[in-house]
Amino acid sequence: AQTVTQSQPEMSVQEAETVTLSCTYDTSESDYYLFWYKQPPSRQMILVIRQEAYKQQNATENRFSVNFQKAAKSFSLKISDSQLGDAAMYFCAYPTQGAQKLVFGQGTRLTINP
Amino acid sequence: GAGVSQTPSNKVTEKGKYVELRCDPISGHTALYWYRQSLGQGPEFLIYFQGTGAADDSGLPNDRFFAVRPEGSVSTLKIQRTERGDSAVYLCASSPGQWLGETQYFGPGTRLLVL
Repeated sequence: AQTVTQSQPEMSVQEAETVTLSCTYDTSESDYYLFWYKQPPSRQMILVIRQEAYKQQNATENRFSVNFQKAAKSFSLKISDSQLGDAAMYFCAYPTQGAQKLVFGQGTRLTINP
Repeated sequence: GAGVSQTPSNKVTEKGKYVELRCDPISGHTALYWYRQSLGQGPEFLIYFQGTGAADDSGLPNDRFFAVRPEGSVSTLKIQRTERGDSAVYLCASSPGQWLGETQYFGPGTRLLVL
C-alpha cells in the first residue's frame, strides 16, 4: 500500500526566514505525481505545489520550492521569506494510480513568529 | 468563478440519527471525491465519482455510509445510524478530469459532531 510520512508534527519559523518541511513516501510506481497542500484554519485545502516524478527539475512556485529526491523517495517543501499568512497545516499527498485518490501524510503545523 | 461548496458548514446530531452532507462541485468538473478528516490527521479517502457513477468506494468504512451523484454534479454523502466515531470533518473535492496529476479543488468541509 502506498504511504506518505511527515515526521514533523509541528514547525515554527521567524517571519522572513526559510523553513523546510519534510515528507517521505512509498510507492512501486515509476511515474507519479506528488503534491503539497496547505490547510488554513478555514479548513479549505489549497494546492501549494506539484511535482511530476519523471521531471528531474525541482518544481518552484514563487516562494515555494521542493527538493525532490526520487531514489530516496523524499519530497520536502521549502518556504522562503516566510510570511504570517503562511501559517497553516501543510500536507504532503500522493495520488494513487487508477482512482487518483489522494493519500495524505499526517500533516505539519507551521507557525510563523512575527 | 465559484469554488466547491459544502453544506451545512457544521452539523450536530445525536447518536443513531441519519445525516446528509451535500457537496456542490465546480461547474463542469467530472470527478468528485469525498474525504474524511479526523482531528489532527490528514484526510482519508472515502469515495470517488466519475460522472454519475462511483468509480471507487473502497474507502467507505461500512454500509452505514453511502453517497450518490445522480446527475453528475451535486453529490450527497449519507450516514445512517450515526456513531460518535463518525465525528470528523468531511471534505469534498472536484477536478476537471481524471489524469494522474490533476489538481483537486477542495471545499471548506462539513464538521460533523455526533453526541
